[in-house]
Amino acid sequence: DIQMTQSPSSLSASLGDRVTITCRASQDIGNYLTWFQQKPGKSPRRMIYGATNLEDGVPSRFSGSRSGSDYSLTISSLESEDVADYHCLQSIQYPLTFGSGTKLEIK
Amino acid sequence: QVKLLQSGAALVKPGASVKMSCKASGYTFTDYWVSWVKQSHGKSLEWIGEIYPNSGATNFNEKFKGKATLTVDKSTSTAYMELSRLTSEDSAIYYCTREPFDYWGQGVMVTVSS
Repeated sequence: DIQMTQSPSSLSASLGDRVTITCRASQDIGNYLTWFQQKPGKSPRRMIYGATNLEDGVPSRFSGSRSGSDYSLTISSLESEDVADYHCLQSIQYPLTFGSGTKLEIK
Repeated sequence: QVKLLQSGAALVKPGASVKMSCKASGYTFTDYWVSWVKQSHGKSLEWIGEIYPNSGATNFNEKFKGKATLTVDKSTSTAYMELSRLTSEDSAIYYCTREPFDYWGQGVMVTVSS
């Protein structure tokens, strides 16, 4: 199975900070990487697909990037509404696998 | 608009089975795979498997083979997942999602307890 190593597991940042969450794939997954945001008590919401494509309606402060086997979700300027858990998913190989999640809080 | 409406929470006894539903609307049900995802402990997500409503073809995470059964009813645009021989480890929230994971159901909380 492809392991998705997500870091950090939790993150506390100040409003306006630049925040980066990373998933490292244990095998080549190309750009088959999706990022989700999940607010407390809610279902996951797709934010980024194909590693770098912003979902319609997602604020432009969110972006996705890739460097080799490292995939990153960046929030350019943290807002209070961004408090949530974030998950990555690889969908190139069965079984599809998620990262372990990152809990983002406001400092 | 696309919606996936899941059935309500379930409290089930150890060793029993539970069957949950996911009713799709707002799109052609038979055109998209439907995946099922487990969320335990409020954080980590696990992919259980997927079903293609047009043909009934399925793919599973090996971990859930023998545990989960996926079916569909094309006449009502509804996907189903049945979990069998339940233990406390099966207590979780279960989501259905339309691939490519752009729409999700609201989740079903399953509690396994005597």
